Amino acid sequence: NAGVTQTPKFQVLKTGQSMTLQCAQDMNHNSMYWYRQDPGMGLRLIYYSASEGTTDKGEVPNGYNVSRLNKREFSLRLESAAPSQTSVYFCASRPYGGYTGELFFGEGSRLTVL
Amino acid sequence: QKEVEQDPGPLSVPEGAIVSLNCTYSNSAFQYFMWYRQYSRKGPELLMYTYSSGNKEDGRFTAQVDKSSKYISLFIRDSQPSDSATYLCAMNHTGNQFYFGTGTSLTVIP
Repeated sequence: NAGVTQTPKFQVLKTGQSMTLQCAQDMNHNSMYWYRQDPGMGLRLIYYSASEGTTDKGEVPNGYNVSRLNKREFSLRLESAAPSQTSVYFCASRPYGGYTGELFFGEGSRLTVL
Repeated sequence: QKEVEQDPGPLSVPEGAIVSLNCTYSNSAFQYFMWYRQYSRKGPELLMYTYSSGNKEDGRFTAQVDKSSKYISLFIRDSQPSDSATYLCAMNHTGNQFYFGTGTSLTVIP
């Protein structure tokens, strides 16, 4: 059972380059999330998708776009990377109507923007 | 003011010690309170979940919520080196957004 799979695990970009982080879950979850984690800042929500076909901004959406490709996949795109986007990015999913707040996280994608 | 405040530590304790981790929050609408554990270079994983006020125990772990004080705690009894990780508190109300603390780094020394 793979859970939440993120690719790539590591990436180095130059300022101004673009890239897409991919996320897929095999748990049939409805909701999916993208967070970034920075030292001293904790996890901050970038975008989320409550269900297939919907996306909403989180706390720090500027500089990012997302696509909920289907129920399984939720991608995060950086159109013109900036050094401030150097971070560890986590994708997470959550079952619809789950009684808990349980988010299932991937292992993270470490991005460095030079 | 951040919605959730958590002392980042780091916290270093000897094996077998009782560990207390805490968070405070400002939004009285929060109803669901969670503790996630994150090992180095891994994603967070849910450790404990509590709805509203009260205590919840799971093995060596106890989660407490005091909504009147807007204060939650995680206690770890008989701490083990394998408990060495970063512990994140998280909260939400009925919506889709979760609010995380910054995490407390814990090291249990054998």
